[in-house]
Amino acid sequence: LAKTTQPISMDSYEGQEVNITCSHNNIATNDYITWYQQFPSQGPRFIIQGYKTKVTNEVASLFIPADRKSSTLSLPRVSLSDTAVYYCLLTSGTYKYIFGTGTRLKVLA
Amino acid sequence: SAVISQKPSRDICQRGTSLTIQCQVDSQVTMMFWYRQQPGQSLTLIATANQGSEATYESGFVIDKFPISRPNLTFSTLTVSNMSPEDSSIYLCSVTGLAGEYDTQYFGPGTRLTVL
Repeated sequence: LAKTTQPISMDSYEGQEVNITCSHNNIATNDYITWYQQFPSQGPRFIIQGYKTKVTNEVASLFIPADRKSSTLSLPRVSLSDTAVYYCLLTSGTYKYIFGTGTRLKVLA
Repeated sequence: SAVISQKPSRDICQRGTSLTIQCQVDSQVTMMFWYRQQPGQSLTLIATANQGSEATYESGFVIDKFPISRPNLTFSTLTVSNMSPEDSSIYLCSVTGLAGEYDTQYFGPGTRLTVL
């Protein structure tokens, strides 16, 4: 299964927009890009999923360029409660999830 | 979405003993999975719990150590057998296969296991 690469950690201030980029150079044709959020002592929570171009929901936006070798999760106007680990995964309907290291986002006051 | 509960939420066990973790879902799901998350680390898939048949284990995990049951479409158990301190982790179940949702997994709250 193709791997993903993300920054290990990021800091941001409240009210700022945060962009977390994920690299997936070996993405397969049938792979979707899926992002999860995990708070301490909780299971991961689905944020957003996309295949190409741009996807937006009430929580985040996902930008995927035409070559699909990377993707960017955008969190608008973060708050302290957005401090968490964010995982980027490639999912292809086989249901076999491979979690990478994730990005630890720390939002500062 | 699905509501997933796990029991126990946490436990402290002695080495050499076994612990069975339960996962209950509020609706029928196609697939159920068990993950392990060691302190400060990412999640690692242990196995896929197959309804009515033996679980499918990932490399590095064996049935004798982690026996799994799935008697129906809403319930599964994971047993951690003959525990050692290295088994101290958070164990999470997840489910997928909800109607209208492509390949989205929902995770339970996890069971925090400490082995002394």
